[in-house]
Amino acid sequence: DQQVKQNSPSLSVQEGRISILNCDYTNSMFDYFLWYKKYPAEGPTFLISISSIKDKNEDGRFTVFLNKSAKHLSLHIVPSQPGDSAVYFCAASAKRSGSRLTFGEGTQLTVNP
Amino acid sequence: ETGVTQSPTHLIKTRGQQVTLRCSSQSGHNTVSWYQQALGQGPQFIFQYYREEENGRGNFPPRFSGLQFPNYSSELNVNALELDDSALYLCASSLMAQSSYNEQFFGPGTRLTVL
Repeated sequence: DQQVKQNSPSLSVQEGRISILNCDYTNSMFDYFLWYKKYPAEGPTFLISISSIKDKNEDGRFTVFLNKSAKHLSLHIVPSQPGDSAVYFCAASAKRSGSRLTFGEGTQLTVNP
Repeated sequence: ETGVTQSPTHLIKTRGQQVTLRCSSQSGHNTVSWYQQALGQGPQFIFQYYREEENGRGNFPPRFSGLQFPNYSSELNVNALELDDSALYLCASSLMAQSSYNEQFFGPGTRLTVL
């Protein structure tokens, strides 16, 4: 039962263009959503998050959009930079679950110079 | 401020053996969560420890067990290792709060290979 799904295993974009990473979830109890970035040989690092009471959160080049009716969220990176190349994980949490995170499978983003 | 550290970095074991992985939480954090990341998959929640007690468990068998110590560091023990236990094991620490999501900070992981 995959409650968080990232349907694109990989994404390749040109430097300076927009990267859009997508994520779908099925559990209506999720009320907090996060994106993590992971480089090889390192643990995931927190990137940006959004509460279910919002539909958009922006932090510099990174914006997360949440569509609760569609149970869909997306991460926009603009402009994309070669240093953004990494695996991006979407994760979700339900408040009463004690902050345990349910992760998607990840999307490998490659930004070409 | 010291981040989350894990030891060892890599480990090779054979089927049926037992393994102990260790995690030191970030300074000021009182909660530790463990995740298993199989190749090509996202991390999967194993369990969480808060104030030295298990505080939630994922869909993992009892041969996966843990401990949290008074200094909030933690151990993950796996008995009777199986080939499918080969994975990256991630530890995440956080500060348990009542009213908001508790941001989790991950360590670099321990790569376990079971032969």
